[in-house]
Amino acid sequence: AQSVTQLDSQVPVFEEAPVELRCNYSSSVSVYLFWYVQYPNQGLQLLLKYLSGSTLVKGINGFEAEFNKSQTSFHLRKPSVHISDTAEYFCAVSDLSPGNQFYFGTGTSLTVIP
Amino acid sequence: DAGVTQSPTHLIKTRGQQVTLRCSPISGHKSVSWYQQVLGQGPQFIFQYYEKEERGRGNFPDRFSARQFPNYSSELNVNALLLGDSALYLCASSLGPESYGYTFGSGTRLTVV
Repeated sequence: AQSVTQLDSQVPVFEEAPVELRCNYSSSVSVYLFWYVQYPNQGLQLLLKYLSGSTLVKGINGFEAEFNKSQTSFHLRKPSVHISDTAEYFCAVSDLSPGNQFYFGTGTSLTVIP
Repeated sequence: DAGVTQSPTHLIKTRGQQVTLRCSPISGHKSVSWYQQVLGQGPQFIFQYYEKEERGRGNFPDRFSARQFPNYSSELNVNALLLGDSALYLCASSLGPESYGYTFGSGTRLTVV
């Protein structure tokens, strides 16, 4: 089975500052990796995903993530955050097995301070 | 195009009751998955259906069941509700069973009192 660890439960950051949200995963097989954002009282919106190829993945809203196989990490970054980025962020991993499911981390609450 | 739609958006049930949640996938999508998100936690996998067949089941008790209809919509049923079943239930749809193409709905907020 797979598992995901998001070490930072809460990350406060000032507006226009850079931010990194950390994600580490555990798996014995090849996986796909994802970052989702969840705004209050809403569902999950896909920010970006890594399936194969280039380890640097660019997503929506200026976010990017880098897959590091040796460190089993998939950290999310943004060079300059906005107030509207305040939300809950979830890292997820999925393997290639039939009926493959997402394994989600516990989430990181990003708060952008004006 | 409409996204994944779930109904109802909110509901309140009493312990021991039964509940049915509904999900309409994006047009053309044939795969539907259900997730439970307890407050303060990440979503947990309940079921995946593809072409009306169950393709995957998470670690949930038999009180949880689901089905997919010929039009690819889906229902999640929970019997004998417990307080711990209070959560946001998310539905996701995809063209096929692969996980890299899922789009999530806004969820159904279930409160058990």
